[in-house]
Amino acid sequence: AQSVTQLGSHVSVSEGALVLLRCNYSSSVPPYLFWYVQYPNQGLQLLLKYTSAATLVKGINGFEAEFKKSETSFHLTKPSAHMSDAAEYFCAVRNQAGTALIFGKGTTLSVSS
Amino acid sequence: DVKVTQSSRYLVKRTGEKVFLECVQDMDHENMFWYRQDPGLGLRLIYFSYDVKMKEKGDIPEGYSVSREKKERFSLILESASTNQTSMYLCAGRGQPQETQYFGPGTRLLVL
Repeated sequence: AQSVTQLGSHVSVSEGALVLLRCNYSSSVPPYLFWYVQYPNQGLQLLLKYTSAATLVKGINGFEAEFKKSETSFHLTKPSAHMSDAAEYFCAVRNQAGTALIFGKGTTLSVSS
Repeated sequence: DVKVTQSSRYLVKRTGEKVFLECVQDMDHENMFWYRQDPGLGLRLIYFSYDVKMKEKGDIPEGYSVSREKKERFSLILESASTNQTSMYLCAGRGQPQETQYFGPGTRLLVL
């Protein structure tokens, strides 16, 4: 069965610092993986997705993620944090039937000046 | 620009009331989803629909039902609201399985 684990429910960084949000997945089939962001009182917005093409995926707002099959990981990074990056981030994997997404529990990113 | 809209951003209901949450998408997508979001639990799938009048249970369907009479509209129904259904409800739409799920802004429901 598919599952997603996000390590760290809360990550704090300083403005300009590297952002690293961790996601590990479990999947019995080649995975489709997603990162979504949720700003306060809003719905989820897609940051990027991996669908078995290039292992390094670039998304919006300067974020990228690298698919590592050997580590079953899909960590999200951004070289330099901005205050506007403060939000909740969700990693997700498509379920085996391909019908829906299975989400991690989310990581809240705080950015301080 | 794709759009998923939800009828209410905030809703306050009483225990035992019947509650309707409406979702409309303009993407001509076959697939639509209802999730609930709770702190520390992430998003959990309640129901999804892959075509008009078709529905499938998700991970937590108890206490909920759904209706899809038209392709663009997917309704979540709480037959008799309870306090443990106080939550954020998110609707999403999607085309093919490899495509992106697009989310609405959410409805924050408080059941008193």
